[in-house]
Amino acid sequence: DTAVSQTPKYLVTQMGNDKSIKCEQNLGHDTMYWYKQDSKKFLKIMFSYNNKELIINETVPNRFSPKSPDKAHLNLHINSLELGDSAVYFCASSHSGTGILYGYTFGSGTRLTVV
Amino acid sequence: GQQLNQSPQSMFIQEGEDVSMNCTSSSIFNTWLWYKQDPGEGPVLLIALYKAGELTSNGRLTAQFGITRKDSFLNISASIPSDVGIYFCAGLFGKIIFGKGTRLHILP
Repeated sequence: DTAVSQTPKYLVTQMGNDKSIKCEQNLGHDTMYWYKQDSKKFLKIMFSYNNKELIINETVPNRFSPKSPDKAHLNLHINSLELGDSAVYFCASSHSGTGILYGYTFGSGTRLTVV
Repeated sequence: GQQLNQSPQSMFIQEGEDVSMNCTSSSIFNTWLWYKQDPGEGPVLLIALYKAGELTSNGRLTAQFGITRKDSFLNISASIPSDVGIYFCAGLFGKIIFGKGTRLHILP
């Protein structure tokens, strides 16, 4: 009955590889997000999708490509991984419109380590 | 762009002490949110504030929406070991902006 679930929890991979992180929410939210948390614990938004449509695309290398097959899923694919991509990636979801007043619900994170 | 200044960056306190932290901005926000992140987990919403001057409690936690709408405060009374973690403020004006967090440590 997890509200926002991400897989995998941990991901260790070599530089240059391509990897994906999956996210699913069962809260009936129509907006989903990807955040990156660096070693200093700063939360930085990367992407936001509303009903499968990209609405926020912050300055992120185009090696990162989000995909939303439906409003309950938002996956993140990363090509040609670099050492600097090592971080914890959080998926989150919310209602849109006035529903955002209730904040975001976060997943438990995917710790990506590039070696 | 909009930025939130959260302070202090870190706190080291004794169990049982009260804790205060705050968040300020040069911009006005319509909603203030306070989140807590436990180690190895994602942030969890603690308190949401919707009106200037509003004071809201959640157990030992009390948060206030500043009267100027440019700041918010979080107090924790009688801290316990499970209060350890990172506390994030967040302001909402169209989208949610997060502060850089206050790391709370409790000394044995």
